[in-house]
Amino acid sequence: GESVGLHLPTLSVQEGDNSIINCAYSNSASDYFIWYKQESGKGPQFIIDIRSNMDKRQGQRVTVLLNKTVKHLSLQIAATQPGDSAVYFCAENRSNFGNEKLTFGTGTRLTIIP
Amino acid sequence: DTGVSQDPRHKITKRGQNVTFRCDPISEHNRLYWYRQTLGQGPEFLTYFQNEAQLEKSRLLSDRFSAERPKGSFSTLEIQRTEQGDSAMYLCASTLTGTAYGYTFGSGTRLTVV
Repeated sequence: GESVGLHLPTLSVQEGDNSIINCAYSNSASDYFIWYKQESGKGPQFIIDIRSNMDKRQGQRVTVLLNKTVKHLSLQIAATQPGDSAVYFCAENRSNFGNEKLTFGTGTRLTIIP
Repeated sequence: DTGVSQDPRHKITKRGQNVTFRCDPISEHNRLYWYRQTLGQGPEFLTYFQNEAQLEKSRLLSDRFSAERPKGSFSTLEIQRTEQGDSAMYLCASTLTGTAYGYTFGSGTRLTVV
């Protein structure tokens, strides 16, 4: 079946360290991937996206890596801050502009330790 | 325009009652989505509209659920004869066809059925 899953449900990282959140997907037809951050009581917030014709994309303190061979996606957050504490979801989409429905994984809770 | 607005933020209802939620998308966005999120899980797709047309409905959307977007602007999601299993966060998101970014989500409506 089609699914997007995450390797670890929780992750604790010391403030200032880098964190890596991983995600596996099973649908080889997926061509667009998005990472979202969700804080308690709020809706998911867009962090960064990547299309299937790319291997890597960088934003401010965040980098997304896509390995299509093993159907793996990762989110790297550099120099973590307390405000990075949240649940992070990866989501997949089969439309290159992300305008069709998204399939979300379960999420990883990232806790930044001061 | 400050983003996607959802109303109410919280709703507690007795089992068997009907409830209606409202979503106001970003004004220039022509696509509007409804998702449901239960505790510890990622959002699950329910339905989406392009302008006033409802283009897809998930199998999760039983016949007790109905969504409308009558003028292609705001949308309502109604749940009839609520059940305890309907307790969840109902998220709305919007986007503009042809843009390269992921959706913008609202903060959601938290439904508790008692």
